Amino acid sequence: DIVMTQTPLSSPVTLGQPASISCRSSQSLVSSDGNTYLSWLQQRPGQPPRLLIYKISNRFSGVPDRFSGSGAGTDFTLKISRVEAEDVGVYYCTQATQFPWTFGQGTKVEIK
Amino acid sequence: EVQLVESGGGLVKPGGSLRLSCAASGFTFTNAWMSWVRQAPGKGLEWVGLIKRKIDGGTTDYAAPVKGRFTISRDDSKTTLYLQMNSLKSEDTAVYYCVAGLGATPLDHWGQGTLVTVSS
Repeated sequence: DIVMTQTPLSSPVTLGQPASISCRSSQSLVSSDGNTYLSWLQQRPGQPPRLLIYKISNRFSGVPDRFSGSGAGTDFTLKISRVEAEDVGVYYCTQATQFPWTFGQGTKVEIK
Repeated sequence: EVQLVESGGGLVKPGGSLRLSCAASGFTFTNAWMSWVRQAPGKGLEWVGLIKRKIDGGTTDYAAPVKGRFTISRDDSKTTLYLQMNSLKSEDTAVYYCVAGLGATPLDHWGQGTLVTVSS
């Protein structure tokens, strides 16, 4: 199975400041079709997860442009340019390149 | 608007069975890959399994912990996804989310979830 490792697991951030989350996979996420099926999800407290970013860097419908994704191969990053109060929650990276699909442990973003 | 509404959760004894349903609306169900993802209380996300759309074969795949005990099916005429869970264990206790893949990724849209508690 592909293991997804996120760092940090907790990220206290000041409002208006940037935040960055790293995700590393145990093997390349480049699929045989050339795509890299690495996504980022946000889970606000008491809510279901919500898709933010797909295929490394594509923002999903309705996602603010302060969220951005980057990376390649086995190393990926989610950045929030200026954290807002509504960004509090847990962020997960996930891969759908190979079965079983797997998730990172989650990174909790909270306001300092 | 995409809507996924899970139902069927509840309390069940170890060794028991439960069937979850997910009523889908707001999109073309026949075009979607449908998955179940679960989240144990206070824990992270765990993929349970998926069923592909019929034009992709309608096949299923499962995570190892549930393979042979859980079965995913779909009724395209009713735009409903199912999860039949047998031989339930305490470690199956979780919120179960129905997830639709409509093109961006296989995990585009998430339902609100339904809680399954396995306990004597």
